[in-house]
Amino acid sequence: KNEVEQSPQNLTAQEGEFITINCSYSVGISALHWLQQHPGGGIVSLFMLSSGKKKHGRLIATINIQEKHSSLHITASHPRDSAVYICAVVAGNTPLVFGKGTRLSVIA
Amino acid sequence: DSGVTQTPKHLITATGQRVTLRCSPRSGDLSVYWYQQSLDQGLQFLIQYYNGEERAKGNILERFSAQQFPDLHSELNLSSLELGDSALYFCASTMTGGGTGELFFGEGSRLTVL
Repeated sequence: KNEVEQSPQNLTAQEGEFITINCSYSVGISALHWLQQHPGGGIVSLFMLSSGKKKHGRLIATINIQEKHSSLHITASHPRDSAVYICAVVAGNTPLVFGKGTRLSVIA
Repeated sequence: DSGVTQTPKHLITATGQRVTLRCSPRSGDLSVYWYQQSLDQGLQFLIQYYNGEERAKGNILERFSAQQFPDLHSELNLSSLELGDSALYFCASTMTGGGTGELFFGEGSRLTVL
């Protein structure tokens, strides 16, 4: 059974801090998604990775396929980054399996 | 704006009732996924349709059913509703049938069962 673990569950940071959210999974995957869910409930896809590293603005996502691990980094964090960040993986033809999310609060 | 439209945004109903949630995918996307998000369970995959055909099934209850129409919009039907069905229901669309395409989510339909 494919399990997805995220850490930490909750994170509070001061504005400007560098933030790292981790995601580990238990089986070989074909892709990993990082999603952002704001307090209003809407979900936005941030990245889809199958190898290496992707960068978009202040967000960087990396994946290590051998170690079955991915990280999402936020540089120069801002209060508007406050949200729940969710990792989800695709293994073979099975649908997405989601982590429970990391709740991030960035304080000004 | 993701391009995925879900209606209704909010729905309050009573136990035992039946509701229909609607999803219009992003233009050009052939695949529609339905997910349920409850407070204690996180996001759970329910069902996927690709170009009108059921592609994959997750933890979808027998009281729930879905279909995708020729114009590619999809409907999720929830019947004999129970208090525990109260949740946010999201649909997402993607161009491909596998899970390796970028996902575009609707804003969700919040269902409250009283």
